[in-house]
Amino acid sequence: ETGVTQTPRHLVMGMTNKKSLKCEQHLGHNAMYWYKQSAKKPLELMFVYSLEERVENNSVPSRFSPECPNSSHLFLHLHTLQPEDSALYLCASSQTRGRGAYGYTFGSGTRLTVV
Amino acid sequence: KNQVEQSPQSLIILEGKNCTLQCNYTVSPFSNLRWYKQDTGRGPVSLTIMTFSENTKSNGRYTATLDADTKQSSLHITASQLSDSASYICVVTDGSGNTGKLIFGQGTTLQVKP
Repeated sequence: ETGVTQTPRHLVMGMTNKKSLKCEQHLGHNAMYWYKQSAKKPLELMFVYSLEERVENNSVPSRFSPECPNSSHLFLHLHTLQPEDSALYLCASSQTRGRGAYGYTFGSGTRLTVV
Repeated sequence: KNQVEQSPQSLIILEGKNCTLQCNYTVSPFSNLRWYKQDTGRGPVSLTIMTFSENTKSNGRYTATLDADTKQSSLHITASQLSDSASYICVVTDGSGNTGKLIFGQGTTLQVKP
């Protein structure tokens, strides 16, 4: 375990379903991130939360909705997804000080399949 | 444009052999460079992290080098094992902004065969 826990590990959902991905970090970090990893492509940053405030949203479709209730938990709410949204969704956390992000740690990811 | 390019895209070697993976970047301002190992279906795990002033850093059989002048890094794996089969990702941190934006390479897929 890396200290960043993601659930579920695998998820299959229909295009009309609503589901949520959960991420929890036990490292005392103050920033959390959602990434999307599609086959043969670099990781794509989706959202950044720093001190529970969303500081970055990289033009992600509104069918993805993040929530950060506290510095240890991060959710990604999913609704009316498309098959092309099938990917590995990774959560990460770090300790940000000044312009640095220290101790950047990833979770094991949720493999999402949209049918 | 901030970019990280890795080569080769994929590599097959025999168990026990050494190999070197390459990473070229154009990220500016530069903060640090990390190498991650990602097993299939898992999240990336950090191998090394180097700042501007560091030329080399080792983690067991993994040795990373950094040439900040030419903006190149390499990851050398010694005496490869079957468990080294994974994707290796080079990541450069953009030193601008407040959250240390990471720029990811596409990764090199390494397969170690018996």
